[in-house]
Amino acid sequence: SQTIHQWPATLVQPVGSPLSLECTVEGTSNPNLYWYRQAAGRGLQLLFYSVGIGQISSEVPQNLSASRPQDRQFILSSKKLLLSDSGFYLCAWSVREIDTQYFGPGTRLTVL
Amino acid sequence: GQNIDQPTEMTATEGAIVQINCTYQTSGFNGLFWYQQHAGEAPTFLSYNVLDGLEEKGRFSSFLSRSKGYSYLLLKELQMKDSASYLCAVMDINYQLIWGAGTKLIIKP
Repeated sequence: SQTIHQWPATLVQPVGSPLSLECTVEGTSNPNLYWYRQAAGRGLQLLFYSVGIGQISSEVPQNLSASRPQDRQFILSSKKLLLSDSGFYLCAWSVREIDTQYFGPGTRLTVL
Repeated sequence: GQNIDQPTEMTATEGAIVQINCTYQTSGFNGLFWYQQHAGEAPTFLSYNVLDGLEEKGRFSSFLSRSKGYSYLLLKELQMKDSASYLCAVMDINYQLIWGAGTKLIIKP
């Protein structure tokens, strides 16, 4: 069966510091991968998605970036965090674009 | 623009039935999803509708009317563990999920 991992689970970072969140999927090949952010009381916001190694689509202009160095690894990064980057970051995977998305456990980021 | 509307909060009694509504306006339609999200946790998939009608899965059922841009999630025999937020999401013409803000369901004994 497929499993999706995210780490760390929680993170507290100062403004201006860098960020690296990692997501890995097990039990499937060439998944579609997604990064979402969830702010309190709001719907999930799609940040990036990837249909293959090295292929990244950005949905929202921001100071975040994503990379997919391996088939089942998806990384979310920032060079300098802003207060507005605080939120619950979720990684998800699907078999194809039209299929159900399954979420990892998430990373709660607080920027102070 | 694209929009998903669902009530912010609902309250129901243990053992009862509750219906959570979702209306949508999107660019194209490739299916509607319902997810459950407990506080502090990730969303988990509940149901998928792409054709009009009712899909039943145990205590949970989901209904879709594409002509009305409307869906509902029906939860029967409510249990305390059903206290959670329920997220409605529609897949648009570009295969991207458009998410509602979620309905927080409070179950009282």
